[in-house]
Amino acid sequence: QSALTQPASVSGSPGQSITISCTGTSSDVGSYNLVSWYQQHPGKAPKLMIYEGSKRPSGVSNRFSGSKSGNTASLTISGLQAEDEADYYCCSYAGSSTLFGGGTKLTVL
Amino acid sequence: EVQLVESGGGLVQPGGSLRLSCAASGFTFSSYSMNWVRQAPGKGLEWVSYISSSSSTIYYADSVKGRFTISRDNAKNSLYLQMNSLRAEDTAVYYCARSVFQDYWGQGTLVTVSS
Repeated sequence: QSALTQPASVSGSPGQSITISCTGTSSDVGSYNLVSWYQQHPGKAPKLMIYEGSKRPSGVSNRFSGSKSGNTASLTISGLQAEDEADYYCCSYAGSSTLFGGGTKLTVL
Repeated sequence: EVQLVESGGGLVQPGGSLRLSCAASGFTFSSYSMNWVRQAPGKGLEWVSYISSSSSTIYYADSVKGRFTISRDNAKNSLYLQMNSLRAEDTAVYYCARSVFQDYWGQGTLVTVSS
C-alpha cells in the first residue's frame, strides 16, 4: 500500500492554468477508472472536486478537469483564482484498499 | 443537506483504546458505503478503513489492521471506529467520508496518543 506520487508544490498566476500529476501503478491508477481529486483549505475538511477520473460533482467549477493516461492521473485548473490556493490530493481505488497521494500545495502568485 | 458529524476523539495513552462515532443525516445512510480517513498534524490524508452499505465488505489499511475495527448501525445512521492498542503515530484528525468516492466529509475529530 504505497502512496500515490504527487509534486509537493505547484504555482501559477491568476488566469493561468496549472496541472497536478498523480502517479500510481498498474495495480491502482492504471487498473481502475476510480481516481478522485480533493481540495483542502487550511483547517477545513477535504472537498471532492473530481471523481471517476474526470467527472465533476454538482457545484464544482468547470475550471477543474481531470484526466488519466496509463498509471498517471492529472488535475488541471484553468483560469486560476486566488481562492484556488489550497492543498490538492489525488486518490485511487486499489482493490481492497484506497490510496491517497502525498498532496500538492498550490500557490496562486 | 448531507451532514456527517464525528465525535469521540480525545487524549489517550499509548496502548489505550478509543471509539469514534460518525452520525449521518440528510441521506439514506443504509444505501452508502463509508470510510474513515485520517490526517496527522501537518501531514497528508491517509485512508484507514472502508465498510460497505450492508457491512458485508470491510477493508483496512495495513497500518491499522488487527488494531482497528470499523462497524455501522444502519438503524441509528451511525458509523464507528473502535481503535485499540493505540500508538503515537495514530495521532491525527479522523474524518468519516461517504461512499467509495468520498463525496462528503465530516469536520473531523482529533485523536491524540501521548503519555
